[in-house]
Amino acid sequence: DAGITQSPRHKVTETGTPVTLRCHQTENHRYMYWYRQDPGHGLRLIHYSYGVKDTDKGEVSDGYSVSRSKTEDFLLTLESATSSQTSVYFCAITERQELSGEQYFGPGTRLTVT
Amino acid sequence: KQEVTQIPAALSVPEGENLVLNCSFTDSAIYNLQWFRQDPGKGLTSLLLIQSSQREQTSGRLNASLDKSSGRSTLYIAASQPGDSATYLCAVPNNAGNMLTFGGGTRLMVKP
Repeated sequence: DAGITQSPRHKVTETGTPVTLRCHQTENHRYMYWYRQDPGHGLRLIHYSYGVKDTDKGEVSDGYSVSRSKTEDFLLTLESATSSQTSVYFCAITERQELSGEQYFGPGTRLTVT
Repeated sequence: KQEVTQIPAALSVPEGENLVLNCSFTDSAIYNLQWFRQDPGKGLTSLLLIQSSQREQTSGRLNASLDKSSGRSTLYIAASQPGDSATYLCAVPNNAGNMLTFGGGTRLMVKP
């Protein structure tokens, strides 16, 4: 299994509070991704990173920000959590895009916003 | 915009059956296609990655095929076992290679 950990694994927070989720990898892969998974919508990309300090938006980026100060860590921040952000969040990594592109996923963080 | 569809959404079979899961995509200009397995409450486990130049890929009892021209991939599971029960997802990258588009998944139940 790819060396990907996510923390916390479960979190309950109140509407309006800031929340930061962490993804940590031991594979030294360049590309890291944050997805959310919701019933009826499947998995959707929030943000991704193609290197330290290099990030870009995905399909559903509104209300989220990310940071990557080290190769191994990719942080997802909800500045002011809303109930619509209740979801399961997955981090993924890949060594190369396009030609190889095999993505490996972390165990997920279940976030509940009350 | 790429759309990925998986049929059926759910499937229940007796143990020992060979089965086929289907994945279709609308834009055939893909680099590769990846099949994943997801157990309830767990993350995604990569099963097979087929490059666009390949027709099929095998791992144990799993065989995945890819027909780009028709926009289809199939995942064949031989001699199914109760431990194969899970949701199976297929995904393709976009043209820039920076995003995977996932199908809705097929929820498989293999009954002893």
